[in-house]
Amino acid sequence: DAKTTQPPSMDCAEGRAANLPCNHSTISGNEYVYWYRQIHSQGPQYIIHGLKNNETNEMASLIITEDRKSSTLILPHATLRDTAVYYCIVGGFGNEKLTFGTGTRLTIIP
Amino acid sequence: GAVVSQHPSRVICKSGTSVKIECRSLDFQATTMFWYRQFPKQSLMLMATSNEGSKATYEQGVEKDKFLINHASLTLSTLTVTSAHPEDSSFYICSAPDRTFTEAFFGQGTRLTVV
Repeated sequence: DAKTTQPPSMDCAEGRAANLPCNHSTISGNEYVYWYRQIHSQGPQYIIHGLKNNETNEMASLIITEDRKSSTLILPHATLRDTAVYYCIVGGFGNEKLTFGTGTRLTIIP
Repeated sequence: GAVVSQHPSRVICKSGTSVKIECRSLDFQATTMFWYRQFPKQSLMLMATSNEGSKATYEQGVEKDKFLINHASLTLSTLTVTSAHPEDSSFYICSAPDRTFTEAFFGQGTRLTVV
């Protein structure tokens, strides 16, 4: 599995957009980018995934660079409930076996 | 959306005893489930892949005789921590992919404390 690099922590003001970067320079052509988050003492929650096009759903947007070596998860209007550890994961479609990195601890500040 | 339920959410046991953790897919069938372990302030580490009707596949360094996995039906996988020791205290989490394998659904986790 390709490895990812994320900043260990970030702060974002409530109501502002939270932009979480992820580097995945060794991603291969058939690997997807997945984002999950884990709120304290809970199981991870799926957020979004993409291959090469930008994606948007009710939770977030995913922007993938043209060379696919990095991506950004955007939470458009962050709330206090978005405080969590966010994991960027790359893998084949189906990505059954997820390899979690260290993630980014996002803190939303009132 | 699909739900994966774990039970119990918390358990405290004495050293040397065994503890069983259940993972159920509530509204879908899961031929494959995954078990993870998470120590405080660390990321999730995959322990094993649970396959319905066949033996589980363990990750390197995970003792299969200590962490017994049974996947007897399409909706239930169990993880039994045998002869538990304090160092087995951790947060155990299961997951199951949806039918299209687009995303994985995770249980709420089980916090095991061995005293």
